[in-house]
Amino acid sequence: GAGVSQSPSNKVTEKGKDVELRCDPISGHTALYWYRQSLGQGLEFLIYFQGNSAPDKSGLPSDRFSAERTGGSVSTLTIQRTQQEDSAVYLCASSQGRRQEQFFGPGTRLTVL
Amino acid sequence: AQSVTQPDIHITVSEGASLELRCNYSYGATPYLFWYVQSPGQGLQLLLKYFSGDTLVQGIKGFEAEFKRSQSSFNLRKPSVHWSDAAEYFCAVIFKTSYDKVIFGPGTSLSVIP
Repeated sequence: GAGVSQSPSNKVTEKGKDVELRCDPISGHTALYWYRQSLGQGLEFLIYFQGNSAPDKSGLPSDRFSAERTGGSVSTLTIQRTQQEDSAVYLCASSQGRRQEQFFGPGTRLTVL
Repeated sequence: AQSVTQPDIHITVSEGASLELRCNYSYGATPYLFWYVQSPGQGLQLLLKYFSGDTLVQGIKGFEAEFKRSQSSFNLRKPSVHWSDAAEYFCAVIFKTSYDKVIFGPGTSLSVIP
C-alpha cells in the first residue's frame, strides 16, 4: 500500500521567493502533521490537521508560513518570502486519528540561497 | 509547559553491547508514548508505543521500552546492539490535552562501534 508521499523531494530557491510543499497522506488517515527538521536538530512541530476541526497552527514560526488541507486529504505548506533560516527538511506525517501512530513521508529538503 | 527531554544527545556503544536511551516528560496525566527511529537518509519509523496496560512494551528490531509513572520516564532498551542500529532515536509524547499534540524530544544519536 502507498505510504505518505511528499513533493518535491528537494527544492532550491532564492531568498524572497515563495515555495509550496505538498503532502499526500495515507488514504483514510484523518490526521495530518507538518514538522520541520533543521540539520542535526529534532522535529519542530508546525501545524496539525484533524478531520474537519480547525487546525492547530501553534507551531508556525511566522505569518510567512501557512498550510491548507483540501478535502481532508492532500495538504500544501506554503512559505512566503523565504529566508535562509527556512532551510530545513520539512516532514509530513499522517495518522488514523488522534493519539495514533504517525506515518512519516520522506520529507522535502528546502534550501534557500 | 509540557515537554519531552532526552538527556543524551549522543551515545556510542560497541556492537553486541546493551543499550538504554532515556526519555522523560513533564509531569501530568499518563500520556501516550512512542519511540521512533530515523536511519541515515531514511524516514522516521515507529519502534514501539505505549497507551496503557503492561508497562513493558515490545517493539520491532528487538527493542523494548518500559514506562515508569513515578519517574515520568519511557526508556528504550535493547540487550544486544547491531551495527545497523546506528541512527537517530526520537521519543514522542501525546499529552492528553484538548489538542492531543505530539511533542518530540530532541533526539539521541546512536553510534555503534564494530
